[in-house]
This record gives sequence, structure tokens and C-alpha cells, in this order.
Amino acid sequence: QVQLQESGPGLVKPSQTLSLTCTVSGGSISSGGYYWSWIRQHPGKGLEWIGYIYYSGSTYYNPSLKSRVSISVDTSKNQFSLKLNFVTAADTAVYYCATKARFGGFDPWGQGTLVTVSS
Amino acid sequence: QTVVTQEPSLTVSPGGTVTLTCASSTGAVTSGNYPNWFQQKPGHALRALIYSTDNKHSWTPARFSGSLLGGKAALTLSAVQPEDEAEYYCLVYYDGVWVFGGGTKLTVL
Repeated sequence: QVQLQESGPGLVKPSQTLSLTCTVSGGSISSGGYYWSWIRQHPGKGLEWIGYIYYSGSTYYNPSLKSRVSISVDTSKNQFSLKLNFVTAADTAVYYCATKARFGGFDPWGQGTLVTVSS
Repeated sequence: QTVVTQEPSLTVSPGGTVTLTCASSTGAVTSGNYPNWFQQKPGHALRALIYSTDNKHSWTPARFSGSLLGGKAALTLSAVQPEDEAEYYCLVYYDGVWVFGGGTKLTVL
């Protein structure tokens, strides 16, 4: 059974880069047919799909974040990562990693990690 | 960008039936938008319930069902249990972007 766990700094200064990693256990990130995803939930509870990377390496981003975001995979560590540049207070949120089968739903999810942008 | 709208709150009695809907600002929601439904309880991550309109995950209780209704995606809960009290979110796919609804707070009272 695949499980996901987010990790990274809980506090990032404005204008800096937010970097998070999602470690995949119980399965291989190289398995075909899966999208490795990042989603965030703002303090007011609004949810936003950030983007995902397909097992082939193709990336798909939310246009609202596309100029600042990058998602990558490290198959040697069975991890995928999120980088969000030039953060502001509006990027404060709980960040979730999740996976999506090509013809399935978004599951499983990590437990989420709160990232606060503040000086 | 597409705005997805859900009822902010609904109340249902235990044992009753309730339908939550998910509407799009750009027109009817169809199967081609692959509607998903999630449940979230306070302090927890989202729990997937339904994908691609009406497909249940192996853990989704039988009393939950997904459909399309009047140009919207719908989640119907039958024989509602007290533990169904939660926030419910829909997620739909438009032009390469997945968009969440604002959520429906379901109260079982």
C-alpha cells in the first residue's frame, strides 16, 4: 500500500523559495501511469491544485502558479519535490502531496505540512 | 479561470438523504470534467470518496454515490450517519487544470 509523507521547512521568509519533498513508500515512483501531485489548502480552507508530474517526467502546472513553481522527481530516493519561488504571505498553507492514477482518483494523500511565509 | 461553486452549508437529519452539488462558471459539468469528491474532517487530510463522476474507492461506504444532475456534479448521501458530518469538496478538470470547489459543510442534526 503506497504511503506519502511530506517534509520541509515550516517557515519561509517572503521572497524566498519554498521547498518541499514527498517521500513515497510501499511502491515505486517509477511505476507507470501515475501523476505525482501537489495540492495546498489555505488557512481559510480554500484548496488549490498546484500541479503534478507524470511518471514519464512531463509536468503540468496550475497557470496561476506556473511562473513560480517547479515539480521534479528523484527516482533514486523514491521522492518528488515542489519548489515555489518568490513566496508571499498568500502562499501560507498546508501543502499536501498526493498521487493520481491515470484513470483513477487522487489517492493516497500525505498528512500535509503547514508552511508559513513570514519574516 | 473556472470557478467551481458548492453549497456553503447543508443540514441533514440522521438517517436522511442529502445531495451536494458542484457547479461550474463555464457551463455544465460533464463526465469529461472527471468530477471527484472528497471528505475532510477537522485536522485531517482529504479523504477521497468518488472519482470520474461515479466511481467509488474501495473504502467508500455504499451510502455515498456520485452522479451528474442538472448540469452539475452531485454527491448523494443516503441513510446519513452522524460520522458523515464533515466538509465535502468537489474537484473538476477544465482545460488542463484541476479546480476545487469551495466546499460544503455538512451538519448532521
